[in-house]
Amino acid sequence: AQSVTQLGSHVSVSEGALVLLRCNYSSSVPPYLFWYVQYPNQGLQLLLKYTSAATLVKGINGFEAEFKKSETSFHLTKPSAHMSDAAEYFCAVTGNNDMRFGAGTRLTVKP
Amino acid sequence: DAGVIQSPRHEVTEMGQEVTLRCKPISGHDYLFWYRQTMMRGLELLIYFNNNVPIDDSGMPEDRFSAKMPNASFSTLKIQPSEPRDSAVYFCASSLGQGNSPLHFGNGTRLTVT
Repeated sequence: AQSVTQLGSHVSVSEGALVLLRCNYSSSVPPYLFWYVQYPNQGLQLLLKYTSAATLVKGINGFEAEFKKSETSFHLTKPSAHMSDAAEYFCAVTGNNDMRFGAGTRLTVKP
Repeated sequence: DAGVIQSPRHEVTEMGQEVTLRCKPISGHDYLFWYRQTMMRGLELLIYFNNNVPIDDSGMPEDRFSAKMPNASFSTLKIQPSEPRDSAVYFCASSLGQGNSPLHFGNGTRLTVT
């Protein structure tokens, strides 16, 4: 069975600072990994996905994530935070067509 | 494409009443998922369908919950009878089903059971 663990339920950064949201996965098969973002009163939207083509994945809104098999990690980063990045972020994994989500990390961006 | 469409957006009902949540997936998607989101438990996968057939319903909390997909363009999640602890946001999502295919989410139904 596959699962993901997100470290830190809340992350606060200043506008312009680096964003780092942590995700570790567990999977008995080569995983497909995803990051989603959720804005208030909306569904989840795909930020990026890892499908083994490249270990560094670039997504929308300037986000990227690096797959590290040795560390079983798939951390999400953005070099410079913007106020509009404030939202909840979810890491997810699939192995057998059913997608499992982490508990989420709420990102706050301070002016 | 209109995306995944859920109705209603909000539902307030009294304990013991039947609740039906509806979902129209993206045309051509052959997988449909129902999730429940709460502060305490996060996003929980309740059930998913492939080509209208339920594949895994192990996440359905109890017999009060049932889901159907009578055709490729419509699914329902029913709670009968509803209880206050069922209060949550329920999301429907669809995908093309390959393991690397992302899910496309609806905007959810916020259910409040009083």
